[in-house]
Amino acid sequence: GESVGLHLPTLSVQEGDNSIINCAYSNSASDYFIWYKQESGKGPQFIIDIRSNMDKRQGQRVTVLLNKTVKHLSLQIAATQPGDSAVYFCAENIKGSNYKLTFGKGTLLTVNP
Amino acid sequence: NAGVMQNPRHLVRRRGQEARLRCSPMKGHSHVYWYRQLPEEGLKFMVYLQKENIIDESGMPKERFSAEFPKEGPSILRIQQVVRGDSAAYFCASSPAGEQYFGPGTRLTVT
Repeated sequence: GESVGLHLPTLSVQEGDNSIINCAYSNSASDYFIWYKQESGKGPQFIIDIRSNMDKRQGQRVTVLLNKTVKHLSLQIAATQPGDSAVYFCAENIKGSNYKLTFGKGTLLTVNP
Repeated sequence: NAGVMQNPRHLVRRRGQEARLRCSPMKGHSHVYWYRQLPEEGLKFMVYLQKENIIDESGMPKERFSAEFPKEGPSILRIQQVVRGDSAAYFCASSPAGEQYFGPGTRLTVT
């Protein structure tokens, strides 16, 4: 079965609100996690990554949190904008697996103006 | 600085024909990964190549699918005798080592 999965398949927020997208993973050997954004008809776009020796990492308007105890990953987007509307995937790399990524099914984020 | 390039962007093949998908990695990247994405699903790993070598093909179907990354030129994903179930978006990603940058994908439709 899937090693990486998402709690919510869709998320609808108002422009300006904060968004939180969640992801569960099951492989305790995973040591590297990435969030990707995919717009319709395009390839996945790197947003932010985090290694297993960290529990938080911040970028521009985005924060990734990693809870290894419960094998949970989240992406927080501050002040969500219409341009943030897309499908968001979490992906994991299992240590020693040559960086091949295992993707979850994705969460569709819709930002309402 | 050109990103990962894939062509064609759209490919239509009849059942039984061959499909060739090309991927040019970013300049300086020697690692290429191929993934397949079915509608409303996440990407599934197929194969990982470095120049002239297949490193990991654990996600490749045992038959009809092959991949190469020659010393010169793009990486090629080849699907022989396509069937309707091969219809999907195929993405390649390139990497210097670690972080992967994805191309725009090739959408294959088998009629």
